[in-house]
Amino acid sequence: GAVVSQHPSWVICKSGTSVKIECRSLDFQATTMFWYRQFPKQSLMLMATSNEGSKATYEQGVEKDKFLINHASLTLSTLTVTSAHPEDSSFYICSAADRVNQPQHFGDGTRLSIL
Amino acid sequence: RKEVEQDPGPFNVPEGATVAFNCTYSNSASQSFFWYRQDCRKEPKLLMSVYSSGNEDGRFTAQLNRASQYISLLIRDSKLSDSATYLCVVNRRGDYKLSFGAGTTVTVRA
Repeated sequence: GAVVSQHPSWVICKSGTSVKIECRSLDFQATTMFWYRQFPKQSLMLMATSNEGSKATYEQGVEKDKFLINHASLTLSTLTVTSAHPEDSSFYICSAADRVNQPQHFGDGTRLSIL
Repeated sequence: RKEVEQDPGPFNVPEGATVAFNCTYSNSASQSFFWYRQDCRKEPKLLMSVYSSGNEDGRFTAQLNRASQYISLLIRDSKLSDSATYLCVVNRRGDYKLSFGAGTTVTVRA
């Protein structure tokens, strides 16, 4: 079945560092991918919709200059957390579906810890 | 009002028991419905899609009630490995975007 790969799975870095997370669809093309954030004991919160070849669509309250999204190909979207601070520490997950209204497949998630 | 609401639980049940819980959705334009399972500190994984006529996958049965706008999940003969958070997920017609419930926590004890 469809598989989504996310990398890295764990990042620990100092405050002020920028961190790039990759999300790849391995056996299908994804014109749309989604980026979520999840805090402990909370549900997934959609951050933005990544659109291949165009600008990402951000949810209300999510800073586009803070969370840079690039979807340069049909199989790769990247999320860069710029100048990360401790409050950005969270579990970041991407998802993609090969067709509308089909189940989405999630990447393994990236656990980001900012010291 | 949240688009998707779930009873957070936790549901603590003994092995072999049956456990069931619901999820309600507010958008009548919702078209596709899913149950995902999320283990602690892991990504969500698709458990099953939910079809209008209801469907079963082994010990898991899902039902959809469009009139009342709720879906349900029933787990029979619970196993220890069924302990997880179950996410109710809904998306609108023609839209990739998903709406998530906050999850229902199930703990199966020996």
